[in-house]
Amino acid sequence: DIQMTQSPSTLSASVGDRVTITCRASQSITTWLAWYQQKPGKAPKLLIYKASSLESGVPSRFSGSGSGTEFTLTISSLQPDDFATYYCQQCKSYSRTFGQGTKVEVK
Amino acid sequence: EVQLVESGGGLVQPGGSLRLSCAASGFTFRDYEMNWVRQAPGEGLEWLSYITSGGSTVYYADSVKGRFTISRDNAKNSLYLQMNSLRAEDTAVYYCGRERMNAFDIWGQGTMVTVSS
Repeated sequence: DIQMTQSPSTLSASVGDRVTITCRASQSITTWLAWYQQKPGKAPKLLIYKASSLESGVPSRFSGSGSGTEFTLTISSLQPDDFATYYCQQCKSYSRTFGQGTKVEVK
Repeated sequence: EVQLVESGGGLVQPGGSLRLSCAASGFTFRDYEMNWVRQAPGEGLEWLSYITSGGSTVYYADSVKGRFTISRDNAKNSLYLQMNSLRAEDTAVYYCGRERMNAFDIWGQGTMVTVSS
């Protein structure tokens, strides 16, 4: 199975900060990577698919990049609504593995 | 409105069974692959199972293989997860998710399953 590792596990930031989350795959997944945002008690929300494609309705401050085994999610200017947990997910193999999550908290 | 609504969760004893349902509306259900994902209390997301649009191909995570069965009824716009031999570690919120462009673009609100004596 393909393993997904996110870093950091927790990130403390302030409104207006540029935030970057990294996701590494245990083997190449080309660009079959998605990013999700989840708030407490809510279902995850798709932000980015195919590594860098922005889902409809998602603010442009969110962006994704990478290919192969290394990927990043960047929030260009953190907004109050962005404090949440973020997950990456690979969809290359039949087992659609998630990363362990990165919690973005108030500094 | 495009929507997925899960149901069927509840309290079940270890070794018991439960069948979850996911009702789809607002889109052509038979055109989409579907998945089940769960989240144990305070933990991350765990993918469980996948089914093709026609239901001919299914995949499972090792943690549930042989105990859980995914199925769908396209005539009823519904996805199912039959869960047998339940364990305490299966306690979680269970979500269904629609797959598009190899990502899960629509999620249900989740249904809680508690396995306890």
